[in-house]
Order: sequence, then C-alpha cells, then structure tokens
Amino acid sequence: GQQVMQIPQYQHVQEGEDFTTYCNSSTTLSNIQWYKQRPGGHPVFLIQLVKSGEVKKQKRLTFQFGEAKKNSSLHITATQTTDVGTYFCAGGGSNYKLTFGKGTLLTVNP
Amino acid sequence: DSGVTQTPKHLITATGQRVTLRCSPRSGDLSVYWYQQSLDQGLQFLIHYYNGEERAKGNILERFSAQQFPDLHSELNLSSLELGDSALYFCASSVEAGFIQETQYFGPGTRLLVL
Repeated sequence: GQQVMQIPQYQHVQEGEDFTTYCNSSTTLSNIQWYKQRPGGHPVFLIQLVKSGEVKKQKRLTFQFGEAKKNSSLHITATQTTDVGTYFCAGGGSNYKLTFGKGTLLTVNP
Repeated sequence: DSGVTQTPKHLITATGQRVTLRCSPRSGDLSVYWYQQSLDQGLQFLIHYYNGEERAKGNILERFSAQQFPDLHSELNLSSLELGDSALYFCASSVEAGFIQETQYFGPGTRLLVL
C-alpha cells in the first residue's frame, strides 16, 4: 500500500534559524496536505498542494510539491517559538484516504 | 475550534472491555474520518464514512467497528480492549469525499487509557 515517509523525526533549532521537513511517497500522489499539531492539541490544516511543481507560501512558510508528485517539503524561515509543534504531511492517492507521515517534531530554543 | 466535537475527552477502562467514542462533524460536512494516534505509530487512518456509508478502510482491527448515523454523527466502537489500544483517537470531518481529498477538520480527540 501507499507509504509516506517523513524526515527528520525530530528537529531542534535556535529561534531565528530555518527549518525544513521532507515528505516522500512510495507512489505518485494526487495531492498533498500539510498539518500542524501543537503539543496537546489536534492536527490543524495548513495547506494543500495539487499541481506538479507547485510552490505556495504562507508568510514564513514555503510549501513545495515535487515535479513527479512523489515528494514535498515544508520550509520555515526564521523560526519563532510559536512554530513549535509536529508537522505532518498527508498524501492523497487514488482512493478516499489520506496517508499521513509520522511527522516532524519541531522544538525552538528562544 | 474546528467545529468538530468528540466525547468523551478522556476514557479509562480495563482490558477486555468495550467502549464507544462519539463524534459530531462540522455543520454541513458529510464525511467523517477516524484516526488513531499513538507515540510510535503516528496518525493511523482507521475508517472513512460518507453520508452514512463506509467509503474507505485503513488499518482498523476486527475488534473495532464504526458507523455513521442519519444525523451524520459517528461512533467508533472498540471491543475486547487490549493495553496496546491505549491511544488518542481523533475524528475529522470534511464537506464531501471527492477524488482530490479535501481539507479535514480534526476534533479535539478522545484519550483512551486501557489498564
């Protein structure tokens, strides 16, 4: 079945440093979504990418979808303490389910 | 607040028991999804219902079952509970269930502890 791998599993940065998490799928995806889960909270939708090579920005966050639609990345510029949490990618296949990566836990040292 | 409600927030029970988790989707959403989140397995998709019908199954054990009622709320039944079933169970909802997956709005979750 479809597998979505996400790396790194953990990332600790100093406030102001950049952060990137990568997502790779074993199969071509129809779309990819990114979610953020704060400690003790629930996943919250950030963005969806659908087109090959698509790049979207939300303030300090940049999301990319690979040309082959099998990988994606989330880059945060100049991290802040409010960025702390686990970032999940979720890939959509030809069925009705999203396959979530295991997430990257980001901690930020002020 | 996502608009998705889940009850109860916490549940403590013993091995071998049966529990029911309840989810009310956002107003107007027809799809309900159930996920299990544990420390070592991440977010695992269990099952998806759309307008009362089962749409997709994930890694759901035979001891687990779910349904979606005419008013669109959903229940997840967990039976013959084992210690390993201890986890956070999330419900999510979306408007429809097209081939391009829609945004899913997650509820606050039910934390289940099996002793």
